[in-house]
Order: sequence, then C-alpha cells, then structure tokens
Amino acid sequence: DAGITQSPRHKVTETGTPVTLRCHQTENHRYMYWYRQDPGHGLRLIHYSYGVKDTDKGEVSDGYSVSRSKTEDFLLTLESATSSQTSVYFCAISDGTVSTEAFFGQGTRLTVV
Amino acid sequence: SQELEQSPQSLIVQEGKNLTINCTSSKTLYGLYWYKQKYGEGLIFLMMLQKGGEEKSHEKITAKLDEKKQQSSLHITASQPSHAGIYLCGADFQGAQKLVFGQGTRLTINP
Repeated sequence: DAGITQSPRHKVTETGTPVTLRCHQTENHRYMYWYRQDPGHGLRLIHYSYGVKDTDKGEVSDGYSVSRSKTEDFLLTLESATSSQTSVYFCAISDGTVSTEAFFGQGTRLTVV
Repeated sequence: SQELEQSPQSLIVQEGKNLTINCTSSKTLYGLYWYKQKYGEGLIFLMMLQKGGEEKSHEKITAKLDEKKQQSSLHITASQPSHAGIYLCGADFQGAQKLVFGQGTRLTINP
C-alpha cells in the first residue's frame, strides 16, 4: 500500500470554527490532491498541489485553503466551517508519471454541527 | 465533475449477470482512470487507459477507451458479490495531472 495517511480520521466541529486536515505521504510524490465526496456528486476536487508551495484551485475551492510547505505534507484548512462542508474528505498522491495512478488515503469524515 | 458523466448512477444486477458502466466526457481525455470504492473505504485503482481504442482487463473487469478518447466503458462479466461498490471514472483533461472524477456508479449485486 502507498504510504499516505490522513488525520484525523473523524472529526466533529462547530459551525464557525477553523479546521485543519492533514495529509502525509512517505512516497515523495510530486502531486497531492484534496477531494470531498458527497452522495450523488462523486469526488470533487477542492485543491491540488504540483510541488512545494505550488497549489491550484479545483472545482469546489470556495471556503477552503491549502498549504504545502514540504513535499510530504498537504494541509487543508476550513477557515470557518459551515454545515455545507460536512463531508468525507480524501487526499490523493501521484508521481505524475504517464500511466501511473493516483493513490488515495482512507478518508476523513468531517461533521459540522 | 460536470466534465465527466457516468451512467447509470445506480445499478442493481443479479449475481452472475454481466453489466456495463459508461463514462462520457465533453472533452478529449489525456488519461482515463477507473477506481472502485467499497462502502466507507478509500479508492482502489483498477486500470488506466490512454490511447484511443485501448482495452485493458483485470480478472473479470474490462475497460475500453473509444477511438475519439471521449468515452470509456467498464464491463464486468459474470458479476460476483465482491464486485459490489462504487465505481468512479477519473480523467486528466489537460495533461497537467489535474485529476477530476465523475459522480460515480453504485453497483449492488443481488444473490
């Protein structure tokens, strides 16, 4: 299994509080991704990173920010959590080589009450 | 992603039957990925297609990318309970490793 760890795995937080999710990899892959998964929507890309300090927005980036200060860590921050951000969040990594897949973490279930 | 449409969104088949899931794009694909997700778990890579007309198989699962590289189909032969789960197609449209996914197909296998 690819070395990718998400933390925490479960979190309940109150509306308006900041939340940070962490994705840690031991594969030295260049690309890292944050997705959210909601019923009927599949996986939607929030942000992704193509290198240290290099990030770009995905299709549902509003309300989220990311940071990547070193290769192995990609942080997703909800500055002020809202109930609409209740979801399962997945991190993925890829080395960007043609014909290689992205590896996914086990997910973080976030509930905003 | 609106750029990738999967059909059907839900599928219930009897064990032993064949089935097909489709993934359609409005744009040319640089790479098309198929993943499977068991309920409540992470995603497992199935296969990746790049060339128009390419076809790959893994056990009883076959995926094909059409010549124009805008549609892929995933076919399961003689379905088994272990095939149940959510199947997602993903794509890289720009060749920049920005991976987006369809809305998924939930497959249920009835004994």
